[in-house]
Amino acid sequence: DGGITQSPKYLFRKEGQNVTLSCEQNLNHDAMYWYRQDPGQGLRLIYYSQIVNDFQKGDIAEGYSVSREKKESFPLTVTSAQKNPTAFYLCASSQTGMDDIQYFGAGTRLSVL
Amino acid sequence: GQQVMQIPQYQHVQEGEDFTTYCNSSTTLSNIQWYKQRPGGHPVFLIQLVKSGEVKKQKRLTFQFGEAKKNSSLHITATQTTDVGTYFCAGTNDYKLSFGAGTTVTVRA
Repeated sequence: DGGITQSPKYLFRKEGQNVTLSCEQNLNHDAMYWYRQDPGQGLRLIYYSQIVNDFQKGDIAEGYSVSREKKESFPLTVTSAQKNPTAFYLCASSQTGMDDIQYFGAGTRLSVL
Repeated sequence: GQQVMQIPQYQHVQEGEDFTTYCNSSTTLSNIQWYKQRPGGHPVFLIQLVKSGEVKKQKRLTFQFGEAKKNSSLHITATQTTDVGTYFCAGTNDYKLSFGAGTTVTVRA
């Protein structure tokens, strides 16, 4: 949606497994973000990247990893160290920085088997 | 760190009535953004307020930024079923954006 594509829409993780969520944008935005959404808790920032090959931890980075090898792509890996991964994950992008308008993808819903 | 508090968490509204949701920050904000997330959907940008005391309108929605730039409000008049969803405010301080927990709105026809 809006030039941001997340896949898959639904994902199931087994115990001890790492899973990777895909996020691609064609808006030519410099900055990209990963948020986790749990009921009643709004959006919590996991990682963000303002330029290729650079990224910063957000408020809840433990148990997650990211890469930014291309401007268009910002995949998120949920590692086995994340003990409570069940949530709705949203990827977003903005023109330059975090104070710009954010455009969100449709989200990936991750559940644990 | 910066915290953005949003109240109420839930708002049950009779169709045709008005309501307001409030957003409060512990620090002065450089700007505030509002987003709407429909059930099962993703957040969509509504508006950004930058100036102290700024008021902006979008049809039945009125957004206000406080004089001290620490609070904001969204007022919806004559609520319709299309207004159902969760409304988030997000405040920027020191180039970092923090989202409130949202106000989830349901409408009784």
